[in-house]
Amino acid sequence: QVQVVQSGAEVKQPGASVKVSCKASGHTFSDYYIHWVRQAPGQGLDWMGWVNPKSGGTKYAQDFRGRVTMTWDTSITTAYLDLSSLRSDDTAVYFCVTKRSGPNNGFDYWGQGTLVTVSS
Amino acid sequence: SYVLTQPPSVSVAPGQTARITCEGNNIGSKSVHWYQQKPGQAPVLVVYDDNDRPSGIPERFSGSNSGNTATLTISRVEAGDEADYYCQVWDSSSDHWVFGGGTKLTVL
Repeated sequence: QVQVVQSGAEVKQPGASVKVSCKASGHTFSDYYIHWVRQAPGQGLDWMGWVNPKSGGTKYAQDFRGRVTMTWDTSITTAYLDLSSLRSDDTAVYFCVTKRSGPNNGFDYWGQGTLVTVSS
Repeated sequence: SYVLTQPPSVSVAPGQTARITCEGNNIGSKSVHWYQQKPGQAPVLVVYDDNDRPSGIPERFSGSNSGNTATLTISRVEAGDEADYYCQVWDSSSDHWVFGGGTKLTVL
């Protein structure tokens, strides 16, 4: 039984950083990636990037390069999303999701989402 | 960057068939995935690789993909199918994953 559980809601000031965690279990992660997707209030889904649990390698969407870091802690099978220099338009629900490698596989197991609010 | 275009809304009566389109340049050469998202919930994968269903997804959900248009078809629509639906592909030129803007399905 695959489970993906994220950390709780955060409120941050503009310019600050936020770290969201994502505990994954039930997979053998050798063939899975952890992706991050965000959704601003009332808006669509926006892909942010992935981390490869096996190698630690990452790929970030162009829009977030320079502000985002994705990591994986093998000892506790937990992924982390670090987003810095927060702005008001970073207010969104952030989802982590597991995905088997390859373009023919969809994003199959989603976390419940973490609301990050950026406000002064 | 690669762009996927979906209609903002589709309406259908219960028991009828809903078709949600996703347009992109030569999308027929790509593998398309579809997600259902209900208010306050995480998305759920309902179709992957154009026309495969994850376990637990009813056979009423199917997909097709050809030319510049991919389509999600929901047969015998039920009230519980009311949700936002998103298409998605991997763009090899940018090595980015791309989502369509989403379609709100309303069951009349």
